[in-house]
Amino acid sequence: GAGVSQTPSNKVTEKGKYVELRCDPISGHTALYWYRQSLGQGPEFLIYFQGTGAADDSGLPNDRFFAVRPEGSVSTLKIQRTERGDSAVYLCASSLGGTVQETQYFGPGTRLLVL
Amino acid sequence: QKEVEQDPGPLSVPEGAIVSLNCTYSNSAFQYFMWYRQYSRKGPELLMYTYSSGNKEDGRFTAQVDKSSKYISLFIRDSQPSDSATYLCAMSAGNTDKLIFGTGTRLQVFP
Repeated sequence: GAGVSQTPSNKVTEKGKYVELRCDPISGHTALYWYRQSLGQGPEFLIYFQGTGAADDSGLPNDRFFAVRPEGSVSTLKIQRTERGDSAVYLCASSLGGTVQETQYFGPGTRLLVL
Repeated sequence: QKEVEQDPGPLSVPEGAIVSLNCTYSNSAFQYFMWYRQYSRKGPELLMYTYSSGNKEDGRFTAQVDKSSKYISLFIRDSQPSDSATYLCAMSAGNTDKLIFGTGTRLQVFP
């Protein structure tokens, strides 16, 4: 079956612009996660959805970052007034039920470059 | 100090070698330990999952957790060129679903 898909695969934008990154989780997975991976680093947790609600958004770095999952499936990560430091790979993962014992399946990521 | 420390490598070994990858951590609340493999320009994929202390074996891979030392290891036997990737350790306290990742160790297995 299809895995987690993310679009776009690459995004180049200018400092100060607004960007949206999309994640399509595996069908039937109720849990969805966003991570950010900077060059040479491991993924850093941003936010976790259980269904439509954000169960844990403690990793969002500031109020320029926002994520939604209105119908409990597709999620969009929104970044306002982008800064050069936002350049990274943004990874999305989904799991069946959301308990830590369940496998998180990762998408290939969106590579964001802020000029 | 980071909660999870991992040597970034790179680690270069010949085909057939036994590889040892390690992470240390500072948070004694961590109970769930994972190893992920990440190929270049791909998302991480789960290799091994261990709860609390002990060993777990799956084919050529063995994961070890020593909670008393706050130290976890992944051993790869009979390493293959296809094992060349970045290996990430990840941990969770279990009362949340937040995974804390190490920086990853880049492994190169040459023929």
